[in-house]
Order: sequence, then structure tokens, then C-alpha cells
Amino acid sequence: GAVVSQHPSRVICKSGTSVKIECRSLDFQATTMFWYRQFPKQSLMLMATSNEGSKATYEQGVEKDKFLINHASLTLSTLTVTSAHPEDSSFYICSGVDTEAFFGQGTRLTVV
Amino acid sequence: QKEVEQDPGPLSVPEGAIVSLNCTYSNSAFQYFMWYRQYSRKGPELLMYTYSSGNKEDGRFTAQVDKSSKYISLFIRDSQPSDSATYLCAMSSSSGSARQLTFGSGTQLTVLP
Repeated sequence: GAVVSQHPSRVICKSGTSVKIECRSLDFQATTMFWYRQFPKQSLMLMATSNEGSKATYEQGVEKDKFLINHASLTLSTLTVTSAHPEDSSFYICSGVDTEAFFGQGTRLTVV
Repeated sequence: QKEVEQDPGPLSVPEGAIVSLNCTYSNSAFQYFMWYRQYSRKGPELLMYTYSSGNKEDGRFTAQVDKSSKYISLFIRDSQPSDSATYLCAMSSSSGSARQLTFGSGTQLTVLP
């Protein structure tokens, strides 16, 4: 199946700093990518839909100024968590859709 | 009521057992159904993808869809300890590249050796 590479897999940052997470589709072009957040023992919650060359679409309750999404090419979408706080600590997962949806490996963010 | 309901478990079975995982849904617009396996602290991995009522088999895995009852199942035969993971059902109403998935809450499965 198709491969979606997400980096970094784990990051620890200080409160108030920003963290960038990259999501790359390695063997297909993804006009659309999705960003999810997952809390322990819970399912994936869609945060936003990232569209190549245009603004992302955010789900209700997700702060677009806090979670900046850039989809500059057909193979790369980035999520930047700005001014991170401990409550932003979570597992973030991206997804690109080829014939089916393929997921990145996830990024565990810990804000201390 | 959630659009997709899935028993969170946890479910614990002995090695070799047949495992049955289930989801129900309320949105009639859902036409495409998927099962994902997620190991701890990893991204979900696609196991099965179906778009019609009936059964689809792939090795030890069988996906079953009953659109009239809005009910889908995943069966795992001859379960192995390596099958221990969280299983997520997911659904969508379209098949395009921009389709959004709605996930169940996931069922945590442990297969005991």
C-alpha cells in the first residue's frame, strides 16, 4: 500500500514554544491530507483537512491560529502547534488518501 | 448518539480463538467501510476496505457488511498474539481523495499465548 511518512515520531517541548510536524506522501500525490488528534484509549478526532494550495478547513472547536497547517506541495503537509501548552500534549496523526486512506506513524507531543 | 458505535472492550482471547469485532452506525450515507489495526503509539494500518454488503476475506481476516442493519463486523480466525492491538472501524460516504473518515472508538484486543 501507499506510504505516508510522518516526522518526528516523538517530541518534547517547553511550554510556550512551537513545534512543527511534517507529513509526506512518499509514493503518491495527496491533494488532500487530514490531521487527527488521539488521546489515550480514544479514537481519532479529525482536527482539520489540509488542501494543497489553499487554506485548511478546521473542525469545530479547533483553533486555527494555534494549529497552523501548510500544504505547500502535493506530497507535504505540515502542522505547527504554536505556543504549546501542556494540554496540547497528545498523539497527532496525519493521513493521505490514495485509493484508500493511509496514515503516518504518528507524533507523540509532550509539552512540559 | 454517535454516528459510529464500537464496543471499546477490552477483549481478551486465547491464541487460536475466533475474534469478532463489531460496529454499528446511524448515517445511511456511509457507503465505504474500513477496518484499521493500531498498535500502541503507532498510526493506524489499513486491514480491510469494503464498499458493498456481504463478506470480504483476506487471509485470516473477514470483513462483513450489512447495510440494511447498519452493522459491520471483522472476524479474525486463528488469532495470534501478534494480533493484539486496537481495532478501529471507519466509514465514509464518498470514495474521493478528499473523503473524510468517521471512526469508531476502537476495540482493544489482547490474544493470550
